[in-house]
Amino acid sequence: DAGVTQSPTHLIKTRGQQVTLRCSPKSGHDTVSWYQQALGQGPQFIFQYYEEEERQRGNFPDRFSGHQFPNYSSELNVNALLLGDSALYLCASSLATAEAFFGQGTRLTVV
Amino acid sequence: GEDVEQSLFLSVREGDSSVINCTYTDSSSTYLYWYKQEPGAGLQLLTYIFSNMDMKQDQRLTVLLNKKDKHLSLRIADTQTGDSAIYFCAESLNDYKLSFGAGTTVTVRA
Repeated sequence: DAGVTQSPTHLIKTRGQQVTLRCSPKSGHDTVSWYQQALGQGPQFIFQYYEEEERQRGNFPDRFSGHQFPNYSSELNVNALLLGDSALYLCASSLATAEAFFGQGTRLTVV
Repeated sequence: GEDVEQSLFLSVREGDSSVINCTYTDSSSTYLYWYKQEPGAGLQLLTYIFSNMDMKQDQRLTVLLNKKDKHLSLRIADTQTGDSAIYFCAESLNDYKLSFGAGTTVTVRA
């Protein structure tokens, strides 16, 4: 079991561009959540996907959107990138339990 | 992480016990978690406790929960250099969203 995998591991984008981050959940997990972790801070909840629908959303603007595919993998899209979007983006997967497992994250740098 | 508070730093001698403390504000929290993050890495789930429990032990880790004071602690026995990391406390009101503290940086000195 490869656990939760995220791609790419690192990414550099220019202000105003758009980015897509990808996540494959742990085998058997059907729920995917995305978090943003700014430097020196704890992760902040962006949104969660279950059965291909956004189930809950944190306090993030509409520039942040997502998708879940039938195989439970997920994408996070961020439009009109700002310098403040630079962060580690973490994906977590779970299966109707309290245990959420995180991937290694994608380090996004906006210049 | 505004609903979960942790002290920022802890320094401990190798072989001693570490105790990391956390306070949370929402008495409706159903689960409370401890995650470990090493430099440049994602979060590793260490343990979690259901809100109707007072204590949970798992090898070197002991979690204590005081619901009245909304206080959670993680004790690491026989702390090793590999325990140096950032430890995050998190709460969940349901199975959907985790709210994290800012993390406690634990440094283990020889």
